Amino acid sequence: KQEVTQIPAALSVPEGENLVLNCSFTDSAIYNLQWFRQDPGKGLTSLLLIQSSQREQTSGRLNASLDKSSGRSTLYIAASQPGDSATYLCAVRRGGTASKLTFGTGTRLQVTL
Amino acid sequence: EPEVTQTPSHQVTQMGQEVILRCVPISNHLYFYWYRQILGQKVEFLVSFYNNEISEKSEIFDDQFSVERPDGSNFTLKIRSTKLEDSAMYFCASSALQGGTQYFGPGTRLTVL
Repeated sequence: KQEVTQIPAALSVPEGENLVLNCSFTDSAIYNLQWFRQDPGKGLTSLLLIQSSQREQTSGRLNASLDKSSGRSTLYIAASQPGDSATYLCAVRRGGTASKLTFGTGTRLQVTL
Repeated sequence: EPEVTQTPSHQVTQMGQEVILRCVPISNHLYFYWYRQILGQKVEFLVSFYNNEISEKSEIFDDQFSVERPDGSNFTLKIRSTKLEDSAMYFCASSALQGGTQYFGPGTRLTVL
């Protein structure tokens, strides 16, 4: 059974700092991995999807990397802003015909002024 | 930008009552999903739906749950006889491709009293 873990559970950084969020998964037979942000009481906003054949995916100040063999992904946020404050979730989809995403518990990020 | 919409945003019901949660997926998407998030817990997969049938379901999705695409735009989740433990945020998602990015709606908060 796939288990997805995110460390740290919470993180507070001053504005402007670069930061890295970590995601690890126990079963490396994944099809892709998706990063989301969730604002309090709100839905999930997709940030990046990285295919199992890819090593990196970039969108603006965000960069996601994937090391499938070691079961790890990182989300790098450059030049953090207070508007980046949210919970960040990673989710993996396994291979084959499966379609479900298995989510981690998230990292709650606070960017302070 | 197209988005997934869900109604109602909040539903309160008595234990044992039936509820129907409604979703309008992104219009050209073919794959549809329901997830739920109990307060303070991980987002959990319930069911995926394609070509008018369930393609995958979790152990949570028992006989009390059903899904339907009654017309060309709506996708519904029905809970026949709600229990206290069904209280959660329910998210609908859709994707254009089987392994593609899943886009989530804002959620319906279900409270069972």
